Amino acid sequence: AQSVAQPEDQVNVAEGNPLTVKCTYSVSGNPYLFWYVQYPNRGLQFLLKYITGDNLVKGSYGFEAEFNKSQTSFHLKKPSALVSDSALYFCAVRDLRYNFNKFYFGSGTKLNVKP
Amino acid sequence: NAGVTQTPKFQVLKTGQSMTLQCAQDMNHNSMYWYRQDPGMGLRLIYYSASEGTTDKGEVPNGYNVSRLNKREFSLRLESAAPSQTSVYFCASRKGTTSSYNEQFFGPGTRLTVL
Repeated sequence: AQSVAQPEDQVNVAEGNPLTVKCTYSVSGNPYLFWYVQYPNRGLQFLLKYITGDNLVKGSYGFEAEFNKSQTSFHLKKPSALVSDSALYFCAVRDLRYNFNKFYFGSGTKLNVKP
Repeated sequence: NAGVTQTPKFQVLKTGQSMTLQCAQDMNHNSMYWYRQDPGMGLRLIYYSASEGTTDKGEVPNGYNVSRLNKREFSLRLESAAPSQTSVYFCASRKGTTSSYNEQFFGPGTRLTVL
C-alpha cells in the first residue's frame, strides 16, 4: 500500500542549529514525494517536491530535502533553524497504483524552535 | 487572486443536522479535493474531483457527499452530522491533468464541531 510515516510527533531544536524532520515512504514504483508546512489556524503550504533527478531538493524558506531510495526516506532539513520555522510539517506521497490523483499524508511532525 | 477559499470558517452543528461546506478556487485548476484533519492522523482524503463533472471517493467517504458544481467550485455535504465528523476540513486544488506532478494548494480550513 502507498503510505508515508513520520516517526516523530515533535522535534525540538534551538534557533541557529540545523534541523531534520524525518519521513519514510512505502510505494509501488517510483515515488513522488512532497513536503508541506502548516502554521497555526492556516491551511497547508507547499515547501518542495521530489519527482526525479537530483536527490537533494531545494524548496521555500531555505528548506531542502534529501531523497534516499535505499532507505526509502525523504527527510526535510534546514541548516539553521529560525523561531519562525515553528509549525506542523507534513510529508505526502502520490498514489501511483491506479489513480494518479490521490495523495497520502503522514501524521505530521510539530517543529518547535526555541530562541 | 484569492487562491482557494472556504466557507464557513467555523460551524457548530447538532447531531443529525445537515450542512454544506463550500470551496472555490480562482486558479483555473482541474483537480479539487476535500480532506479532514484530525489530531495525530494527518490529512485523510474524503473525496476528490479530477475534473469538472467527475468525483471519486477517497479514504473516508462515508457520511459525506460532494458536488463539483463547475470548474471553480467543489462542495462537501454532511447529510446527517455525527460527533465523529468533528474535525477541521480542508479543500485543495491542483493544476494540470491527472498525470502531472503539480503540488496542491490548500484553503484556510473549516473547523466543524458536532455536538
